[in-house]
Amino acid sequence: GEQVEQLPSILRVQEGSSASINCTYENSASNYFPWYKQEPGENPKLIIDIRSNMERKQTQGLIVLLDKKAKRFSLHITDTQPGDSAMYFCAASGGNNYAQGLTFGLGTRVSVFP
Amino acid sequence: AQTIHQWPVAEIKAVGSPLSLGCTIKGKSSPNLYWYWQATGGTLQQLFYSITVGQVESVVQLNLSASRPKDDQFILSTEKLLLSHSGFYLCAWSPGNNQDTQYFGPGTRLLVL
Repeated sequence: GEQVEQLPSILRVQEGSSASINCTYENSASNYFPWYKQEPGENPKLIIDIRSNMERKQTQGLIVLLDKKAKRFSLHITDTQPGDSAMYFCAASGGNNYAQGLTFGLGTRVSVFP
Repeated sequence: AQTIHQWPVAEIKAVGSPLSLGCTIKGKSSPNLYWYWQATGGTLQQLFYSITVGQVESVVQLNLSASRPKDDQFILSTEKLLLSHSGFYLCAWSPGNNQDTQYFGPGTRLLVL
């Protein structure tokens, strides 16, 4: 199986600054690492993902870094805005069994204040 | 484009009563389908997955069962609800063929009293 640890659980950042969330995983065979954003009462929405053949990916104010040696990956939200306030979940694939699904971290509640 | 629909949107049920939640995906043949459960303020816990009609694998049962009667349909059920079943139930799909990106449906909110 897989275990994913996510820190911090709560993150308060000032508008315009950066927010960083870190996750670690245990299964060295895991090769897919998505990030989901969930707003209150809504379903989780995929915002960015990275596969094990990459170390860095960037899209629309989001940067994901992957360190396979350390089994660590992170999400960086640049120039945070009030709309970035939400729960964020990292996840890792089940490794060799693509079909089995994702193991999620416990989530990070991000609050952006003026 | 693919669309995923869950029903009902929300339910209030009594302890000990039966439950059936549904999920349908349109616009994609032979998807992998998943059920997740989320307690209020909690993380997503995978319950079941299915890669083909009639075949369901359990990850964590929580006194629930799942079935896939059609290619585009995934059902979650129990004959006897517990208080601990309250939460947010999410169906998700992935394209299959070793593509593991998952997309979530809108979810069903369940309150057991």
